[in-house]
Amino acid sequence: DTAVSQTPKYLVTQMGNDKSIKCEQNLGHDTMYWYKQDSKKFLKIMFSYNNKELIINETVPNRFSPKSPDKAHLNLHINSLELGDSAVYFCASSQGLAGVSEQYFGPGTRLTVT
Amino acid sequence: GENVEQHPSTLSVQEGDSAVIKCTYSDSASNYFPWYKQELGKRPQLIIDIRSNVGEKKDQRIAVTLNKTAKHFSLHITETQPEDSAVYFCAASIAGNQFYFGTGTSLTVIP
Repeated sequence: DTAVSQTPKYLVTQMGNDKSIKCEQNLGHDTMYWYKQDSKKFLKIMFSYNNKELIINETVPNRFSPKSPDKAHLNLHINSLELGDSAVYFCASSQGLAGVSEQYFGPGTRLTVT
Repeated sequence: GENVEQHPSTLSVQEGDSAVIKCTYSDSASNYFPWYKQELGKRPQLIIDIRSNVGEKKDQRIAVTLNKTAKHFSLHITETQPEDSAVYFCAASIAGNQFYFGTGTSLTVIP
């Protein structure tokens, strides 16, 4: 069974478009995250949600809007895509505030903006 | 916020030798320090972790040490094998819901 899943795995789109990436976890975790990994492999946290509430919102353009309909899902919507948005986006989850625990990553979504 | 520095950025070792990767952190509130291995095109996967109340932890060929006073922690891989080749990330976590990653170390094990 897949613990953290993301769709789509690949996303190719043109500048200016709006796109969404979906994430689901079946681990019963309270906290979910979005990370961006650029071409230099640096993993940068974008958002963190605990029980559907935003905890962390790092310096991310407001074109990026996370939405958590329930604690098992954290989707990422991106408006007006730019070339610099091309990266691999990873969703992750952890037990969070209930106790320090391992973070599980999804398989990643490779976004290419042309 | 937390700042995690990781060195070296690239590391090449001969098969069978040891590899050491070092990280420092800035926020004394950090209390959980995981290490992740990321193979090409794959997701980061946890290989070992250590909590702030422990100084050292070992799992077969992998060990992690933590010096809370100096705010640094290290990953040690002994008897390296070609399949250890990957990018390794350290991270520091505050209260288990904020994770800050180092910049990664690309390890190459030469057969």
